[in-house]
Amino acid sequence: GENVEQHPSTLSVQEGDSAVIKCTYSDSASNYFPWYKQELGKRPQLIIDIRSNVGEKKDQRIAVTLNKTAKHFSLHITETQPEDSAVYFCAAETSGSRLTFGEGTQLTVNP
Amino acid sequence: KAGVTQTPRYLIKTRGQQVTLSCSPISGHRSVSWYQQTPGQGLQFLFEYFSETQRNKGNFPGRFSGRQFSNSRSEMNVSTLELGDSALYLCASRTGGVYTEAFFGQGTRLTVV
Repeated sequence: GENVEQHPSTLSVQEGDSAVIKCTYSDSASNYFPWYKQELGKRPQLIIDIRSNVGEKKDQRIAVTLNKTAKHFSLHITETQPEDSAVYFCAAETSGSRLTFGEGTQLTVNP
Repeated sequence: KAGVTQTPRYLIKTRGQQVTLSCSPISGHRSVSWYQQTPGQGLQFLFEYFSETQRNKGNFPGRFSGRQFSNSRSEMNVSTLELGDSALYLCASRTGGVYTEAFFGQGTRLTVV
């Protein structure tokens, strides 16, 4: 089955800096790669996603890049703010009904 | 529209007991997935139901089971509870189409003592 690895497990940045979280996946048939943000005590929420026919997608300060050949994708957050502090999960989907998640990255943005 | 609702929010059970968790998806969503979340383990996939049929299953023992009703509401059952079953159980609702957003419920926090 699919296996998703996520790095780093913790990331601390200064407000205004950029943050990058990387994920690799094992199943070349995976075609959908969402990113979820989970604030403390809250449910995970989708922040951005990308499909395999697209190499990059941006939404304001957030961007995701996908390299299908290397089987890795990354989340980029620019101009980080304290409210960006949360756990971020990447995921990959192959068959259209099963999301496999990475283990999460605890991002801390220091004021 | 109403979001995904999970009940109960918190449960405390004793080893050996069984427990049933409930998930009501967003109206019109036909797919419900269940995940176990523990510190350091991320979200581990349990199973997914679509139109009352189990469409996918993760690598959990048979003590973990589920079902889905005709109104798309889903239940998850864990029998013979073990201490290691203590976790946050999240369900996610999707329309059922491929590569669509999963909307999560608030989760049920299960503590086994």
